[in-house]
Amino acid sequence: GQQLNQSPQSMFIQEGEDVSMNCTSSSIFNTWLWYKQDPGEGPVLLIALYKAGELTSNGRLTAQFGITRKDSFLNISASIPSDVGIYFCAPYNTDKLIFGTGTRLQVFP
Amino acid sequence: SQTIHQWPATLVQPVGSPLSLECTVEGTSNPNLYWYRQAAGRGLQLLFYSVGIGQISSEVPQNLSASRPQDRQFILSSKKLLLSDSGFYLCACCGGYTFGSGTRLTVV
Repeated sequence: GQQLNQSPQSMFIQEGEDVSMNCTSSSIFNTWLWYKQDPGEGPVLLIALYKAGELTSNGRLTAQFGITRKDSFLNISASIPSDVGIYFCAPYNTDKLIFGTGTRLQVFP
Repeated sequence: SQTIHQWPATLVQPVGSPLSLECTVEGTSNPNLYWYRQAAGRGLQLLFYSVGIGQISSEVPQNLSASRPQDRQFILSSKKLLLSDSGFYLCACCGGYTFGSGTRLTVV
């Protein structure tokens, strides 16, 4: 079956540092989505990627859709305390949307 | 833009009792709809998705079922809850662009 790996599982960083996380899959996808989830809330879409090789930014966030269409990464630059939360990748084809296992980010002042 | 209404926000139910969680969508038509469950500190597990009225795909065999009686209504049900059904249930639509605020279910 399809495998989706997200790493790292957790990160503990100092405010101001840059963060990088990635997802790899055994299958090819047409779309990669990245979400952030705060405690007790539903995930919020951060960035959507639609094309292999695409690099998209949203403020301090940058994400790329891998050329092979089997992977994606998310970078956060100059982290701030409100970046704390769980970040998920979610690749998507036509109907089914599956989620990575998440990267839990802690930012210390 | 789409909005998802999901209720209740929290629910405590005894083992063996039935369950019905409802999700309704506004601002779009014929959306793909999804039910996810999230255990504490874990990722989102896809339970069911639907591409249209009466069309349900089940991802994980379990004690739950889903129905889509109307275009913008998605219902998650159980006839008899188990302790392991506890978790945070999330409804999503529209290719994952919008999530509901979730229902925290505790089975006691």
